[in-house]
Amino acid sequence: GDSVTQMEGPVTLSEEAFLTINCTYTATGYPSLFWYVQYPGEGLQLLLKATKADDKGSNKGFEATYRKETTSFHLEKGSVQVSDSAVYFCALSDQPGNQFYFGTGTSLTVIP
Amino acid sequence: DGGITQSPKYLFRKEGQNVTLSCEQNLNHDAMYWYRQDPGQGLRLIYYSQIVNDFQKGDIAEGYSVSREKKESFPLTVTSAQKNPTAFYLCASSQGQVLNQPQHFGDGTRLSIL
Repeated sequence: GDSVTQMEGPVTLSEEAFLTINCTYTATGYPSLFWYVQYPGEGLQLLLKATKADDKGSNKGFEATYRKETTSFHLEKGSVQVSDSAVYFCALSDQPGNQFYFGTGTSLTVIP
Repeated sequence: DGGITQSPKYLFRKEGQNVTLSCEQNLNHDAMYWYRQDPGQGLRLIYYSQIVNDFQKGDIAEGYSVSREKKESFPLTVTSAQKNPTAFYLCASSQGQVLNQPQHFGDGTRLSIL
């Protein structure tokens, strides 16, 4: 079945450091891939998405590239800020209207 | 602005009591979902509905029930059969039969046991 595996956290970085959060997936079809962010006490917000191989999703300085050959969708940001502290979830969907498959989340703390 | 509204934000349940969590969306989405989130864990699917008057069990449906009488509403009842209900509950919606569309989330309801 479909699944998503995310890098274990928590991750602690200094401000302006480079961020990578690894995400790999298993899917029977050709899924769409998503990154969500969750701030404390809130729901999930869509950060970016990619719908086919080699697509790059980007938003707010975050990027992720859909790599079919390595079944990966790693999240990157060149220079993190304190305000980026949150939990990040990788997710996939391969059927319209059907359930999403979420990773377990990676907690990021950025210190000044 | 369109969105998903969950209420209440905090809810307390007594032993043996059923409680209902509200989820309303004005995005005109066909599909709606309920997830449970425990501290430090990911999201687990409780129930989902792709169309009015139809819904399917997710991975952890035992002790929960739902209804989908209106397109915009998908309430979740946590029954007394759910022995460990303390968690953060998230409702989501999506456009349904359209590929590549993301799920949109409400701000959640935190349920605790008295």
